[in-house]
Amino acid sequence: DGGITQSPKYLFRKEGQNVTLSCEQNLNHDAMYWYRQDPGQGLRLIYYSQIVNDFQKGDIAEGYSVSREKKESFPLTVTSAQKNPTAFYLCASRGGGDEQFFGPGTRLTVL
Amino acid sequence: QKEVEQNSGPLSVPEGAIASLNCTYSDRGSQSFFWYRQYSGKSPELIMFIYSNGDKEDGRFTAQLNKASQYVSLLIRDSQPSDSATYLCAVTRYSSASKIIFGSGTRLSIRP
Repeated sequence: DGGITQSPKYLFRKEGQNVTLSCEQNLNHDAMYWYRQDPGQGLRLIYYSQIVNDFQKGDIAEGYSVSREKKESFPLTVTSAQKNPTAFYLCASRGGGDEQFFGPGTRLTVL
Repeated sequence: QKEVEQNSGPLSVPEGAIASLNCTYSDRGSQSFFWYRQYSGKSPELIMFIYSNGDKEDGRFTAQLNKASQYVSLLIRDSQPSDSATYLCAVTRYSSASKIIFGSGTRLSIRP
């Protein structure tokens, strides 16, 4: 059963804490993406990776970091430098075309 | 000017009618255009994509693209209550086909 999984579904962060969001895909897609969605707004690109061991900053990369050590995995770390991290985080992947497909998302809340 | 603009709505349409959702974009070189449906609290789901001028039909959905006017629309025929959701228009950037820019979405409500 092919798809994209994200975990956890809900995550709570204390001030000054780093947290890591997981994204895994078994679609054999080369490209993977991380977006942030705030209430009533569209998606904003944080980081993307078109191939293993390579990634680029998106429009709002400050306070975030990523790695791409395996084709299937693209974890996102929200660091303490991200001052307003409460949001819905979405991971997506892309195969041969331009279409992107999304995982179920992680809702992060700062306590 | 936003790169992708949509009316935030809500757009209220009676059940069985045609819902028309509109989107304009600023990058004249954009190549690919997408419509995603997002239910409240869920992730976006791709429902249509279109690359060429004209209409593309898939079941009750029709995507329309006019590159000269930088305009893309989505028509939903025979609207059902299950169509109530936020619809996101998305467009690739000419400078990087691997990146998609999203509009903020139009909230559609189908009233019984």
